[in-house]
Amino acid sequence: DTGVSQNPRHKITKRGQNVTFRCDPISEHNRLYWYRQTLGQGPEFLTYFQNEAQLEKSRLLSDRFSAERPKGSFSTLEIQRTEQGDSAMYLCASSFSVAGVETQYFGPGTRLLVL
Amino acid sequence: AQKVTQAQTEISVVEKEDVTLDCVYETRDTTYYLFWYKQPPSGELVFLIRRNSFDEQNEISGRYSWNFQKSTSSFNFTITASQVVDSAVYFCALSFISGAGSYQLTFGKGTKLSVIP
Repeated sequence: DTGVSQNPRHKITKRGQNVTFRCDPISEHNRLYWYRQTLGQGPEFLTYFQNEAQLEKSRLLSDRFSAERPKGSFSTLEIQRTEQGDSAMYLCASSFSVAGVETQYFGPGTRLLVL
Repeated sequence: AQKVTQAQTEISVVEKEDVTLDCVYETRDTTYYLFWYKQPPSGELVFLIRRNSFDEQNEISGRYSWNFQKSTSSFNFTITASQVVDSAVYFCALSFISGAGSYQLTFGKGTKLSVIP
C-alpha cells in the first residue's frame, strides 16, 4: 500500500498537554500539507513543506503549533498546551507537482479531542 | 481571496435517483484548479477529479459527471443512478499557487449526501 498514512488515528488528551501527530506521505511525493477540519466544515490549510523546508504557514497556525519534516520524508505536527478549541481532525496530504499541476492525496486523519 | 460555496448542506435521495451537487467559486486568478473530494464516514478524503481553469470540457467517469462553467463560476457534480455506497460528504475545492509555491486548497463546507435504499 503506497497511500498516505497518519498516526495515531485518534487521540484524547487533557487541556494543557502536548500532543504530536505523524504523517508518512506517498514515498515519491516531495510536497506535504497539513490541514485542520472542524465539525461540519471543510478542511483548512495549516502549513506546507517542499522536501524538508517549511515554506508556508497559515495564520491559523498559532505559536503553540509546530511542524517538521526532517530529511523530507515523514512529518510531525506538535501542539503544545492544548486547548479545547484544538479539537478537530488533522489531515495530512502529499503531492508531486508536474509542470505546475498537482493533486493532493490525503491520509485518514488524526482525530483529536481535548477534554 | 479564494472562496468556495456549496449551498446544499444535506441532500437525501432514494437509490437509483440522479443527484447534482452544486459548487460555486470565487477567485481573481486566471490560472486555477478545481477539485471534488469524497469523505466517507471513515474520514479519509478521496480524490475524484481535477479540472484546470482552461479546460471547460465536461467529463464523465462511469456514473459520475462534472459540468464546469466558467461564465457562472460553477463546477457541479452529478451522480447518475445513485447507490448506497455514494453516501458521504462531498467537498468542492479550489487551488491556486501561492507566493511560496504551495497549491493550498480552499474547500467549501461540503454537501452531505444520503442515499436511501
